Amino acid sequence: ELKVEQNPLFLSMQEGKNYTIYCNYSTTSDRLYWYRQDPGKSLESLFVLLSNGAVKQEGRLMASLDTKARLSTLHITAAVHDLSATYFCAVAGTASKLTFGTGTRLQVTL
Amino acid sequence: EPEVTQTPSHQVTQMGQEVILRCVPISNHLYFYWYRQILGQKVEFLVSFYNNEISEKSEIFDDQFSVERPDGSNFTLKIRSTKLEDSAMYFCASSAIHPGDTEAFFGQGTRLTVV
Repeated sequence: ELKVEQNPLFLSMQEGKNYTIYCNYSTTSDRLYWYRQDPGKSLESLFVLLSNGAVKQEGRLMASLDTKARLSTLHITAAVHDLSATYFCAVAGTASKLTFGTGTRLQVTL
Repeated sequence: EPEVTQTPSHQVTQMGQEVILRCVPISNHLYFYWYRQILGQKVEFLVSFYNNEISEKSEIFDDQFSVERPDGSNFTLKIRSTKLEDSAMYFCASSAIHPGDTEAFFGQGTRLTVV
């Protein structure tokens, strides 16, 4: 059974600081997704990573995928308050199913 | 921009009652999904649907659950006899082709409260 773990579960960081969220998964997959969720809201797609070594950047967020290590990272550069949300990674295991990580609740403080 | 829409946004029901959650996937998408999220927890896969049949389902998706695409545009999730533990946010999602080729787009969710 595919297991997906994220750490940290909760991250409080000051504006302007950098930090990385980690996503580890237990079985081979080369398809990984990052989503953002605001409280009470839906899941917003951030990044689609489809191959080993894939790196994507959007604004202050950068995601990467290492399929050999079964690890993806979401790096936050110079955090701003608007980035406060819960971030989920999701791994595509079998043909049509996403397995989500536990989520990282990010709180950016002034 | 095309989006997945779900109705209702919030449903309160008594234990033992049947509920139907409705979704309109993005029009050219071929794969449809239901996920649920119990408050404060991670998102869990329930079922995927392709070519008018279930392609995969989780252990959560027992005989109390069913899905249907009744008219070529709507995609529904029925819970026959709701239990307190069915209280959660239910998300519908769709993808154009195989999830390996593109991401799944999620609806805004239906919050189901069973009392």
